Amino acid sequence: NAGVMQNPRHLVRRRGQEARLRCSPMKGHSHVYWYRQLPEEGLKFMVYLQKENIIDESGMPKERFSAEFPKEGPSILRIQQVVRGDSAAYFCASSRRGLSNGYTFGSGTRLTVV
Amino acid sequence: SQQGEEDPQALSIQEGENATMNCSYKTSINNLQWYRQNSGRGLVHLILIRSNEREKHSGRLRVTLDTSKKSSSLLITASRAADTASYFCATDGFTGANSKLTFGKGITLSVRP
Repeated sequence: NAGVMQNPRHLVRRRGQEARLRCSPMKGHSHVYWYRQLPEEGLKFMVYLQKENIIDESGMPKERFSAEFPKEGPSILRIQQVVRGDSAAYFCASSRRGLSNGYTFGSGTRLTVV
Repeated sequence: SQQGEEDPQALSIQEGENATMNCSYKTSINNLQWYRQNSGRGLVHLILIRSNEREKHSGRLRVTLDTSKKSSSLLITASRAADTASYFCATDGFTGANSKLTFGKGITLSVRP
């Protein structure tokens, strides 16, 4: 059981480019959560997805950010036209039944916008 | 605003001493969890305490929960240099599925060898 896999570990993008972050949940987990961590801050909830459905996107910025969790393949967090303020660590967690006592976090993707 | 607020923001102790970290929250919870994050790494789940529990132990960790004061504490006994990390409390206000965690800003613990 490889745990929650996120890639890439580090991503550098120039302002205006697109960033695509991938998250493969643990085997048997169908619930995925994305969190963002700014420097010296805690994690902020962004979006909660189940296979092919967005359950809660209350933490997602209104523009430029989107997320999906297709029937096959990893969950993708997409940031279009990145700006310096998007630089952060993005963490993905998965759970089996959508209960918080079953969270497993990935190691994160550290996005740097230059 | 943050649901969980940890206190202190930073703590420096000598190896072998106990470390106590506190967390306060604002709204009703189903459970409260503590996580550790080593520099540049992901979060590791340490311990979960449910709203109907008052105290829980796991190895050198002891967590308490006071729902009347909306606060929790994490005690690490006989600290080691390897305990140096950031510690976060997280709360879950839902009783069923479709839950999500709300994290505090974290406490930076430094254990001097």
